[in-house]
Amino acid sequence: DVKVTQSSRYLVKRTGEKVFLECVQDMDHENMFWYRQDPGLGLRLIYFSYDVKMKEKGDIPEGYSVSREKKERFSLILESASTNQTSMYLCASSKTNLETQYFGPGTRLLVL
Amino acid sequence: GDSVTQMEGPVTLSEEAFLTINCTYTATGYPSLFWYVQYPGEGLQLLLKATKADDKGSNKGFEATYRKETTSFHLEKGSVQVSDSAVYFCALAVSGGYNKLIFGAGTRLAVHP
Repeated sequence: DVKVTQSSRYLVKRTGEKVFLECVQDMDHENMFWYRQDPGLGLRLIYFSYDVKMKEKGDIPEGYSVSREKKERFSLILESASTNQTSMYLCASSKTNLETQYFGPGTRLLVL
Repeated sequence: GDSVTQMEGPVTLSEEAFLTINCTYTATGYPSLFWYVQYPGEGLQLLLKATKADDKGSNKGFEATYRKETTSFHLEKGSVQVSDSAVYFCALAVSGGYNKLIFGAGTRLAVHP
C-alpha cells in the first residue's frame, strides 16, 4: 500500500519562529510536492522536487524553502513564520512520467 | 495560463439523489484531467482520471468524461450516499513533465440521510 506520511497533524507556532514540516514517502517516487490548501483557493503549489537535491519553485514560493537530501524525504521550511502562513500543508509524491499524485494527511499549521 | 474552475459549494443532497459537480478548464496543449476527493480529516485521494478527449474515468460509482469541445470534466454519480460527503477537487496535469497539477477551488458535498 502506498504511503505518504507527514511529521505532524497539527502545529502551533509563534510569529518569527523557524518551522520545519517533514514528509516521507515509501514508494521510491522521484517527484515530491508541497502544497498549501486554503478555503476557496484549492491547493496551490509551493515547491516541488524531481530528484535528490533538485527543486523547483511552484506558484507561491515566497517565504518558504525546501530540502531534499534523501529520495524519500522532502522538507518544507518556513524561515520566519508569519500569520499569513496559517494554513493546511499537504505533501504529495508521484512516479516520474506517471501522473497520479499520492497525498499525505496534511499538517494544519497555526501561526500566532 | 492554465486554470480549473469548479462550481461553488456547498452542495447539499439527500441520500440517493443524483450528483453533478461542474468543472471546466483552460489549458494549452492536451492536459490529463483528474478528480480528487478529500474526506474529513484526511489528505486527497485520486478518485478518477482521464488522459485524452472522450475518455471516461470511473470509480466507486462516480464518472466523468473528458470533453475537449466544451473543455469540461463534470463529475457525476447516480445515487449518492452519506459516506460520499467530502470535498471534491478537479485538477489538470500540466503538459511538459514533472506531473505538476493545477487544482480547482474544491466543492464541498454534504449528503443527508
